[in-house]
Amino acid sequence: EAQVTQNPRYLITVTGKKLTVTCSQNMNHEYMSWYRQDPGLGLRQIYYSMNVEVTDKGDVPEGYKVSRKEKRNFPLILESPSPNQTSLYFCASSRRGNYGYTFGSGTRLTVV
Amino acid sequence: DAKTTQPTSMDCAEGRAANLPCNHSTISGNEYVYWYRQIHSQGPQYIIHGLKNNETNEMASLIITEDRKSSTLILPHATLRDTAVYYCIVRPYLFGNEKLTFGTGTRLTIIP
Repeated sequence: EAQVTQNPRYLITVTGKKLTVTCSQNMNHEYMSWYRQDPGLGLRQIYYSMNVEVTDKGDVPEGYKVSRKEKRNFPLILESPSPNQTSLYFCASSRRGNYGYTFGSGTRLTVV
Repeated sequence: DAKTTQPTSMDCAEGRAANLPCNHSTISGNEYVYWYRQIHSQGPQYIIHGLKNNETNEMASLIITEDRKSSTLILPHATLRDTAVYYCIVRPYLFGNEKLTFGTGTRLTIIP
């Protein structure tokens, strides 16, 4: 089944403890992207990648890192999480060109 | 600045056509209009996209005005399962960047 898989689905962590949210797609898509969703603020893009080793900032990149070492994976790294990064996170991927994005099921992160 | 503006919420009676407007007055010639929807806190789902011609698929129809400054998503026979938040975004054609702004969308409620 074609899908975008995020792990974990739920995570509670403490301030300052480094964490990684993984994202993997099995559709050979070139484009991948990370979003966060907060009440009243909608979906906001964190980082995106248009190919292996090509990443760029979205609207809210502060406090996050990403890497794209292989086509299928696009992990989101929080080096020193803070409570204001408590949010619902989505990863998405798309074929290059005019195709819709496929989104993962989300990761609900709580930083205490 | 938001590239699209949408009403915050709308209601529609079950069985009727739901018409969701979107304003994208600053759209450029190389940008497509895309629509997604999000049911509860699931990952957003791609619905349809278009450049300047009207488009239809199994889920919906997309009507884009001749000047391309606005569009309407039409769900022809709304069901309770169409209750969701609908997002209209603009996206560069082919080789543009993938920095995308989703905004807060329109919360559509289908009334039994």
